[in-house]
Amino acid sequence: GESVGLHLPTLSVQEGDNSIINCAYSNSASDYFIWYKQESGKGPQFIIDIRSNMDKRQGQRVTVLLNKTVKHLSLQIAATQPGDSAVYFCAETRTGANNLFFGTGTRLTVIP
Amino acid sequence: DTGVSQNPRHKITKRGQNVTFRCDPISEHNRLYWYRQTLGQGPEFLTYFQNEAQLEKSRLLSDRFSAERPKGSFSTLEIQRTEQGDSAMYLCASSPFQGETQYFGPGTRLLVL
Repeated sequence: GESVGLHLPTLSVQEGDNSIINCAYSNSASDYFIWYKQESGKGPQFIIDIRSNMDKRQGQRVTVLLNKTVKHLSLQIAATQPGDSAVYFCAETRTGANNLFFGTGTRLTVIP
Repeated sequence: DTGVSQNPRHKITKRGQNVTFRCDPISEHNRLYWYRQTLGQGPEFLTYFQNEAQLEKSRLLSDRFSAERPKGSFSTLEIQRTEQGDSAMYLCASSPFQGETQYFGPGTRLLVL
């Protein structure tokens, strides 16, 4: 609802620490998941994706974990940097669908 | 820069006026999407094109909204008789195939006074 949207979950981490951002998805039929980073005034930027036939995928400094049993997705950022400060969204879709469904974002603040 | 581009980046208009936004997708992507994002929320799907064909529209796309992609390349989104509730960020995304990652543009921020 509106109150949830205006009060994004927040995560504050010290520079250099690891960050974990969580997301619960709703549709058990979803089989493709994407994490986006959105900085203020900009469009969502692709970070990493994962398909439902995998439970872990790694990128540069980022790892996505998928737990289909509990419909949970997480994004791990290693050695968090000030440039990582942004709102992070998970998005889900399923084979045959054309649109992405976005979860409630999480605002990550990195403390120098 | 070969990413998705959108113009204008910002638009301020008075209630009742018509506005038009443009999106240029990544050149080899034949799928194009429009989303709307209000403050503190994630993007919400509006409509989808495969080449020049508009194949899906969400319930959010009222009859005051119209989108076109005449040559299967750039797309326009027009809002007629704007209302204050139309104030939002309008995002365009493109992808090469169904089920592939959608890449977003920088968005057009609309403010209706």
